[in-house]
Amino acid sequence: DSGVTQTPKHLITATGQRVTLRCSPRSGDLSVYWYQQSLDQGLQFLIQYYNGEERAKGNILERFSAQQFPDLHSELNLSSLELGDSALYFCASSRESGGGEQFFGPGTRLTVL
Amino acid sequence: GIQVEQSPPDLILQEGANSTLRCNFSDSVNNLQWFHQNPWGQLINLFYIPSGTKQNGRLSATTVATERYSLLYISSSQTTDSGVYFCAANNNDMRFGAGTRLTVKP
Repeated sequence: DSGVTQTPKHLITATGQRVTLRCSPRSGDLSVYWYQQSLDQGLQFLIQYYNGEERAKGNILERFSAQQFPDLHSELNLSSLELGDSALYFCASSRESGGGEQFFGPGTRLTVL
Repeated sequence: GIQVEQSPPDLILQEGANSTLRCNFSDSVNNLQWFHQNPWGQLINLFYIPSGTKQNGRLSATTVATERYSLLYISSSQTTDSGVYFCAANNNDMRFGAGTRLTVKP
């Protein structure tokens, strides 16, 4: 158990819908990262927040957004969902803002029908 | 961004065999991690190793940062070692390799 929690574990929804994925980092970690793992694109970095502020941005679509709240939990919002958004979404956390060891949550498996 | 390449893409071993997985990265890094993704999809941290050598039981890893590669050694492999092994390197954002799929047969 990495100490990073993610909810829900599974999510099934329809095209065009909007969903919210939630992540709680390890105790004491200030950075939260979101990743997408799909069959065709592999594991891709989406976005990082450090202590409530956006720190780095990767291959995140405009339809996706994230935020980190004062209690340091984070949410990833996915809207106007398409079939191709079906993937495993991971959250990770670390102590530092950059370069430190990252610990991954169990992931949320999203299926868009 | 940084490019991460892993080899081999697939590896099939008999139980008890040893193996070496390689990770090449295209630029200097401030973080290099090895993960094992088990059949349930969980990413398990194996090593945080931006440089040097570390050992944990039957697994060990070496990163030669000046030559931009890292190696993961698995000795006396067991069926439970099966899964996908990922290397990830970070100099601004974390980039993952495509992974090595390891199958250990009894």
